[in-house]
Amino acid sequence: DVKVTQSSRYLVKRTGEKVFLECVQDMDHENMFWYRQDPGLGLRLIYFSYDVKMKEKGDIPEGYSVSREKKERFSLILESASTNQTSMYLCATRRRDRVDQPQHFGDGTRLSIL
Amino acid sequence: AQSVTQLGSHVSVSEGALVLLRCNYSSSVPPYLFWYVQYPNQGLQLLLKYTSAATLVKGINDFEAEFKKSETSFHLTKPSAHMSDAAEYFCAVTLISGGYQKVTFGIGTKLQVIP
Repeated sequence: DVKVTQSSRYLVKRTGEKVFLECVQDMDHENMFWYRQDPGLGLRLIYFSYDVKMKEKGDIPEGYSVSREKKERFSLILESASTNQTSMYLCATRRRDRVDQPQHFGDGTRLSIL
Repeated sequence: AQSVTQLGSHVSVSEGALVLLRCNYSSSVPPYLFWYVQYPNQGLQLLLKYTSAATLVKGINDFEAEFKKSETSFHLTKPSAHMSDAAEYFCAVTLISGGYQKVTFGIGTKLQVIP
């Protein structure tokens, strides 16, 4: 089974802080994704990476950046946290070029910005 | 452009009753369709997927979904609801867009099972 591990289940930070959310996978998947989940809005894609050192903007990249220095690790960075970034953040992985394959999700990080 | 519409953000059924969660998609090419389930305080797990092999797809925990091209639908059903089915369910469509595999999720349907 694919295991996707997000470093924190719950995180509380202050406005203006730089926040790092970490995601690690153990299945050698090329594609990794960061989503935020908000009630009534479903999952919205922030960034994705199709390979090491590669990244692409998703639908809502503003205020975020990412880093993928190693294949197994994909980091989401909030450069200067704001209260409207309070949300559930989900990391996911998938094998490359397999449209029929599902994504595998971590358990999420519930981030509160005060 | 592709999109996914889930009708009903909240659905309540009695234990033992039929579960029907609706999903309609819009896509200019044949899609790959997925249903995921999210239990409280967890990530999403795959329930089932449609990849053009068969229009009726069976998944885990007795869930199934039927792909109807004429109706652009992929509704999720289960004959008899169990208390443990209470969760949020997401329909998703995957297409190749700009050389990448773009996934679009619906807004989710929260299923409540009443004893």
